Amino acid sequence: GEDVEQSLFLSVREGDSSVINCTYTDSSSTYLYWYKQEPGAGLQLLTYIFSNMDMKQDQRLTVLLNKKDKHLSLRIADTQTGDSAIYFCAERRNRDDKIIFGKGTRLHILP
Amino acid sequence: DADVTQTPRNRITKTGKRIMLECSQTKGHDRMYWYRQDPGLGLRLIYYSFDVKDINKGEISDGYSVSRQAQAKFSLSLESAIPNQTALYFCATGTQAGGLRDTQYFGPGTRLTVL
Repeated sequence: GEDVEQSLFLSVREGDSSVINCTYTDSSSTYLYWYKQEPGAGLQLLTYIFSNMDMKQDQRLTVLLNKKDKHLSLRIADTQTGDSAIYFCAERRNRDDKIIFGKGTRLHILP
Repeated sequence: DADVTQTPRNRITKTGKRIMLECSQTKGHDRMYWYRQDPGLGLRLIYYSFDVKDINKGEISDGYSVSRQAQAKFSLSLESAIPNQTALYFCATGTQAGGLRDTQYFGPGTRLTVL
């Protein structure tokens, strides 16, 4: 498809792991990003992965990339109340050099 | 100090008024962008500029215009505001240089309401 797809909502209990999934459009995209938007704030670059990597880990964050299926995921270990936000997946599409954003996944933390 | 600033942060205006939203950056980036965010629609690109003399339309440029006054400044204008331009507007910067080419860095947003 032509859109970066992600589910709109995810609810997770505090202390559990959150997994946010995304499918992107261009198998030749070179960079894939995760942005975090907290309430009332702009988007903040959370992490990114190069297309020649399968996995990237950064403290509580793990990004997995499946280029064959054009699937990207973000795992947040030990989810905390401060992780409550909207998470945007984005790709830098190779064929037209554009950054394409998904619609965002709202992560809700249950006590 | 924030690297990307937007003014005003909130604005309420009436239909037909001219509005300018301003964006400034201290990151030294060559590329600047304007997006609008609407609930359920994510981010949509309005205009972008790769340098001071370069202005390009995004996917929803109708009803908007921009000016790149300097490398650090990129303003968005609504010549005659209409209610369906009520949204959250974000400015972003990016660079062609380095490993994270074109990674976008966002301002805090301007909430615009058109009555």
